[in-house]
Amino acid sequence: QVQLVESGGGVVQPGRPLRLSCAASGFTFRNYGMYWVRQAPGKGLEWVAVIWYDGTKKHYVESVKGRFTISRDNPNNTLYLQMNSLRAEDTAVYYCARVSGPVVTPAAYFDYWGQGTLVTVSS
Amino acid sequence: SYELTQSPSVSVSPGQTANITCSGDSLGDKFASWYQQKPGQSPVLVIYQDTKRPSGIPERFSGSNSGNTATLTISGTQAMDEADYYCQAWDSSTLYVFGTGTKVTVL
Repeated sequence: QVQLVESGGGVVQPGRPLRLSCAASGFTFRNYGMYWVRQAPGKGLEWVAVIWYDGTKKHYVESVKGRFTISRDNPNNTLYLQMNSLRAEDTAVYYCARVSGPVVTPAAYFDYWGQGTLVTVSS
Repeated sequence: SYELTQSPSVSVSPGQTANITCSGDSLGDKFASWYQQKPGQSPVLVIYQDTKRPSGIPERFSGSNSGNTATLTISGTQAMDEADYYCQAWDSSTLYVFGTGTKVTVL
């Protein structure tokens, strides 16, 4: 069965970096686009970054551009989110989610989600 | 930027029908998806491409999308359906956008 397992969250000081990982199993990872979606405490869902199945295209929400980098290691079935210059407003549970196809299209959707990893940015 | 608006809360009695709406400019021209999120859990896809149910999702969940409004309908609502529900659609400028979320309470 499809499994997505995030790791790497924790408490970090403002301005410091953190790298999240998402280990995928139960499907052919290299065939699917992947997203990072976050949810601040008590708030709604916000997509953060997306990467095409082959890593050739990446997009970011405006608030993290220049600070976050999404990447993937297809041979090792792992998705990453490198977060630099963290701010208090980045505090959230970060989920990795699988896109229903290799790339982002108007008809695509998030068909599987991980359990999330909590990132707390605080001094 | 494109926005999707949902009512903050919906209350429903067990066995009754809950209608959860999602409003956005010309939303009916886009595909809408719906996600259920129970407290402390990750979201689960319950409807995709307006009306389709993933395997394992009960038949009491259905969807529609027309004009500026997408609707998730829960027929014969059960206590286990109490959760937050988020709509989602694709927009060319912001890629995927999520709705503001609706808390469904089963009284």
